[in-house]
Amino acid sequence: EDQVTQSPEALRLQEGESSSLNCSYTVSGLRGLFWYRQDPGKGPEFLFTLYSAGEEKEKERLKATLTKKESFLHITAPKPEDSATYLCAVLPSALRLTHNTDKLIFGTGTRLQVFP
Amino acid sequence: NAGVTQTPKFQVLKTGQSMTLQCAQDMNHNSMYWYRQDPGMGLRLIYYSASEGTTDKGEVPNGYNVSRLNKREFSLRLESAAPSQTSVYFCASTPVWGNTEAFFGQGTRLTVV
Repeated sequence: EDQVTQSPEALRLQEGESSSLNCSYTVSGLRGLFWYRQDPGKGPEFLFTLYSAGEEKEKERLKATLTKKESFLHITAPKPEDSATYLCAVLPSALRLTHNTDKLIFGTGTRLQVFP
Repeated sequence: NAGVTQTPKFQVLKTGQSMTLQCAQDMNHNSMYWYRQDPGMGLRLIYYSASEGTTDKGEVPNGYNVSRLNKREFSLRLESAAPSQTSVYFCASTPVWGNTEAFFGQGTRLTVV
């Protein structure tokens, strides 16, 4: 069964303390991996799409990387405004692409708190 | 530019009551989705509409119905609410089907007592 697991569930960092969030996946094939940010009481906000192992994407203090089994979201010198829940989602491959196969599988997220 | 707008933001229902959650997007997107988000579980797809005039079941469709009223609007209806439907509901849209850089609404927090 296709599955996405994120770790840790929660992470507390001091401002400026770099760290990484993990998203591991087991799918029959990967068409894409996506990172979203979710602030309390709001909907997820798209951050990155990664398609193949070795690919990296950066945005401000965030860098997402992808291997054949997992993705990391690296946070460099975080600030309090980076506090949020970070969601990972995968789009599995399918032998025949139909509407029924284009469905994201979401992880449960990592809740990040950055303290001044 | 509002993006994706959901109403209401909060709702409390009694078991057996019905209600409709409204969603509208102003980005001229073709595809729209309804998700539910529960503690300890990832977002789960309830129903989706790949394009105007079509709707299909997602992962957890039981107890729900949807209507794609036009290209902008996609509503979710609970015919007879149950406590298990207590959740936060999100509407999302994408430019085309399969493009998963989705834009999400602010969510509707629903409690069924």
